[in-house]
Amino acid sequence: DTEVTQTPKHLVMGMTNKKSLKCEQHMGHRAMYWYKQKAKKPPELMFVYSYEKLSINESVPSRFSPECPNSSLLNLHLHALQPEDSALYLCASSPTGVHNYGYTFGSGTRLTVV
Amino acid sequence: DAKTTQPPSMDCAEGRAANLPCNHSTISGNEYVYWYRQIHSQGPQYIIHGLKNNETNEMASLIITEDRKSSTLILPHATLRDTAVYYCIVRGPAGGTSYGKLTFGQGTILTVHP
Repeated sequence: DTEVTQTPKHLVMGMTNKKSLKCEQHMGHRAMYWYKQKAKKPPELMFVYSYEKLSINESVPSRFSPECPNSSLLNLHLHALQPEDSALYLCASSPTGVHNYGYTFGSGTRLTVV
Repeated sequence: DAKTTQPPSMDCAEGRAANLPCNHSTISGNEYVYWYRQIHSQGPQYIIHGLKNNETNEMASLIITEDRKSSTLILPHATLRDTAVYYCIVRGPAGGTSYGKLTFGQGTILTVHP
């Protein structure tokens, strides 16, 4: 299995809702990432998990709450979002412990906040 | 990580070689050059990476100048499916429990036309 699977593919939520995005990989990668991508802009890093521990939080607002319950799963919990949080949310994974490697990205969850 | 400069857009005729340039004049000795591409509404896809030697794989070739201040991604026979945003990224190595940020610039929009 060489894929990163993200669910759901599309999500519409109200500003008072609580929802979660899910990301799964079975490549044995021990680093996992959340990126946010607005229309016509490059992806922006949000969070990095390394060996199931949060390593980087790029000053992301607390209404986004990441969770890594095990080495294969990464969740992003959403609460009280704003319309400007509407974007494509991308998950990625990569090996660690080597000097050069590529990230594998999922196809993303397209989130619309109404 | 060093910054990169890419042309905002390029065109290429189907079947011809597409040569995408990237400047990274502040690259450090241990930093790698990575190329990713993103087809509309999909996650970024790893293409190739290199340190100082030219590299080739089934997707593309990467030519890095001797002073490492610039590089060129070559798609030898472009097809319509190669229409995408191409990102050139420079980043340091990662190993052990460390990780590396993958920071995307604006990229080059490559349009392959019939």
